[in-house]
Amino acid sequence: AQSVTQPDIHITVSEGASLELRCNYSYGATPYLFWYVQSPGQGLQLLLKYFSGDTLVQGIKGFEAEFKRSQSSFNLRKPSVHWSDAAEYFCAVGAGNTGTASKLTFGTGTRLQVTL
Amino acid sequence: NAGVTQTPKFRVLKTGQSMTLLCAQDMNHEYMYWYRQDPGMGLRLIHYSVGEGTTAKGEVPDGYNVSRLKKQNFLLGLESAAPSQTSVYFCASSQTRPGPGGYTFGSGTRLTVV
Repeated sequence: AQSVTQPDIHITVSEGASLELRCNYSYGATPYLFWYVQSPGQGLQLLLKYFSGDTLVQGIKGFEAEFKRSQSSFNLRKPSVHWSDAAEYFCAVGAGNTGTASKLTFGTGTRLQVTL
Repeated sequence: NAGVTQTPKFRVLKTGQSMTLLCAQDMNHEYMYWYRQDPGMGLRLIHYSVGEGTTAKGEVPDGYNVSRLKKQNFLLGLESAAPSQTSVYFCASSQTRPGPGGYTFGSGTRLTVV
């Protein structure tokens, strides 16, 4: 069964500092990987996704993530954090084949706080 | 705006009451999902549907039922609400396989069972 681990429950960074949110997944084949962001009281918005090809993917709002198969990781990064990036971030993994429904399994989330 | 609409946004139920949450999407997506979100547990899949007239159990289906009579609608029912079902419920939809194109989420329903 597929699973996702986000080891950091809560991270605080200063505005303008760089950010890296960790995500480790478990899946037997090639996974589809996603990062979503959730602002308080809102639904989840897709930041970026990885299916295949270039292992460094660019997303919205200046975010990027790198797929590292050898480490089973898909960490999210941003060079300079803005106060508006304060939110909860979820990593998710989906089946990378056509044999199953496209269910996503989500991590438990990382809450990002940005100090001014 | 196109997307996923959830109704209602908030609800308070008494233990033992029943209710139905409605999810509607206008993107012609085949797949629809119901998740619940609880603090420290992320999102857990309750039920999902891979097309009109189909439903399947997810990770935490007990105490819930679903129906997909029309392609654009996915209903989640609680027959006899329990305090453990206090949660935020999210509906999502996606295009058909191969591979998920990512989900489009609704804005959520906050349910409190007292």
